[in-house]
Amino acid sequence: AQSVTQLGSHVSVSEGALVLLRCNYSSSVPPYLFWYVQYPNQGLQLLLKYTSAATLVKGINGFEAEFKKSETSFHLTKPSAHMSDAAEYFCAVRGGSARQLTFGSGTQLTVLP
Amino acid sequence: SAVISQKPSRDICQRGTSLTIQCQVDSQVTMMFWYRQQPGQSLTLIATANQGSEATYESGFVIDKFPISRPNLTFSTLTVSNMSPEDSSIYLCSVDPGTFAETQYFGPGTRLLVL
Repeated sequence: AQSVTQLGSHVSVSEGALVLLRCNYSSSVPPYLFWYVQYPNQGLQLLLKYTSAATLVKGINGFEAEFKKSETSFHLTKPSAHMSDAAEYFCAVRGGSARQLTFGSGTQLTVLP
Repeated sequence: SAVISQKPSRDICQRGTSLTIQCQVDSQVTMMFWYRQQPGQSLTLIATANQGSEATYESGFVIDKFPISRPNLTFSTLTVSNMSPEDSSIYLCSVDPGTFAETQYFGPGTRLLVL
């Protein structure tokens, strides 16, 4: 079975500051990990994914995430926040051959001017 | 990636009625899923829509309440039956191309309010 924990349901950063959104996972098999973003009144858009290749994954819009097996973490970062980054971010895990995704509870990112 | 459309995009319904949501994909895909996102919550998988056979439902979801059809590899419907205000949610369709490194792509969602 797989599970995801996102620490911090709400995160606020100033424009230009570092963005760090935390995700820890639990999986009985080697996991595949994903970050999705949901803008207001829209569906989910894939930001990036880890599928057992490079542990540092780069995604769209300047985001990246690092898979750390020893810490069971897959935190999302962006060096400099932009106002357009304000959205809800979801971490998700998929285990082994199963295709179903298990989502974390989400983190609402607010970017302050 | 796949382009996914859903109809309707939003609706307001009376309790006791039913609503059918359509999901259309621009290419044939192996797997289609239906999720529910209750207000302020994360996504919960309702079921996997199987082409040519009955859908596979997750714990807590039953066919009588959420009947699903998948007549071909590009289309699926989800019906929310005998609705109550607790069914007010966003319902999202997703598709999985099924290749190793791929993941699910999501439609824009259907925003349902039950009065």
